[in-house]
Amino acid sequence: EAGVVQSPRYKIIEKKQPVAFWCNPISGHNTLYWYRQNLGQGPELLIRYENEEAVDDSQLPKDRFSAERLKGVDSTLKIQPAELGDSAVYLCASSLTGSRGYTFGSGTRLTVV
Amino acid sequence: QQQVKQSPQSLIVQKGGISIINCAYENTAFDYFPWYQQFPGKGPALLIAIRPDVSEKKEGRFTISFNKSAKQFSLHIMDSQPGDSATYFCAATWGNDMRFGAGTRLTVKP
Repeated sequence: EAGVVQSPRYKIIEKKQPVAFWCNPISGHNTLYWYRQNLGQGPELLIRYENEEAVDDSQLPKDRFSAERLKGVDSTLKIQPAELGDSAVYLCASSLTGSRGYTFGSGTRLTVV
Repeated sequence: QQQVKQSPQSLIVQKGGISIINCAYENTAFDYFPWYQQFPGKGPALLIAIRPDVSEKKEGRFTISFNKSAKQFSLHIMDSQPGDSATYFCAATWGNDMRFGAGTRLTVKP
């Protein structure tokens, strides 16, 4: 089992530029999460998908962040335009629907300069 | 968004010692309390978890103690090893919503 795969691992961009992160969850996992982890902090939920439906996006800054999960498998998180405060690690996790066992990817470390 | 308070922020323990990390929560709707271990450059990995109808759960050197009335729970790492050096996060879940503590950076000195 490959686990949750995220790319890229690292990304450095200038402020006001767009950036996108990609996540491939564990096969069969219907629920997919995007978390943001600031330095020295715990992960904070941005959005949760059940299959292709975003069922909880209350913490997603919708003015600049967007996400999609086409066909209920892979997911992309986009920021446009990026701000300095967006520098963080963006983690993707997946689970079976109703399961409490989340599996996290290794994350994408974003640095906005 | 942080609904779970975790302490200490950092912890240094000698090899063979006991590491203790504490967490507290407010929302009584939480019904599942996992602990995650995170190494640098990796995502958090589930270590051990407990439900509120149980006061203690032990898996190897790792034990969760849970006090429902006080709304507190803690992780005890017995016989701490240098390989345990990592950041530990407590979390609390209701439904599919999981909230994390701020993390404890544990260093086990040889």
